[in-house]
Amino acid sequence: NAGVMQNPRHLVRRRGQEARLRCSPMKGHSHVYWYRQLPEEGLKFMVYLQKENIIDESGMPKERFSAEFPKEGPSILRIQQVVRGDSAAYFCASSPLGDHSYEQYFGPGTRLTVT
Amino acid sequence: GNSVTQMEGPVTLSEEAFLTINCTYTATGYPSLFWYVQYPGEGLQLLLKATKADDKGSNKGFEATYRKETTSFHLEKGSVQVSDSAVYFCALPNSGNTPLVFGKGTRLSVIA
Repeated sequence: NAGVMQNPRHLVRRRGQEARLRCSPMKGHSHVYWYRQLPEEGLKFMVYLQKENIIDESGMPKERFSAEFPKEGPSILRIQQVVRGDSAAYFCASSPLGDHSYEQYFGPGTRLTVT
Repeated sequence: GNSVTQMEGPVTLSEEAFLTINCTYTATGYPSLFWYVQYPGEGLQLLLKATKADDKGSNKGFEATYRKETTSFHLEKGSVQVSDSAVYFCALPNSGNTPLVFGKGTRLSVIA
């Protein structure tokens, strides 16, 4: 059973460009979480999605950031007009249930560098 | 919401030394508690968990006991190896509907 997959692993964007980060959850998992990790910091929750639904986006910046998890295909985290402060590692996790006491399985992350 | 405070690093130990990484939490009710490990350049992996008070989670020689009296979930290992060098995160679910809340992480370096 393949784990959570994320691509690309590394992404370099110039200021003002768009960044698209993809996450394919583990087989059978219908819940996806996105977290951001700034250098030397812990992970901060951004958004929690189920298929075709955003359940909780309380951690998402109000502007430039959006996320989706369509019926078919991976979850996408989209950052428009990137700025240097967006440089971070973005991790996706999935779980089989929405009960947050269950383990979340993490992908290897996408390291975004904005130049 | 729930929160977690984790011992700051970095921690440097010699091989076979005893490890303790402190973690205390503030929570509504008694949520599950987790320790995750992040090896260099990789994502997080669940190291161990405890789902109720007095439970002991263990894996790969690591242990942590869910102590509601002291609201703690300290990570311990009796004899560390170089391969244990990583960043360790304490985590718990937030109150309400928000997923995991993480500590800032403790970087462990084990030298031969």
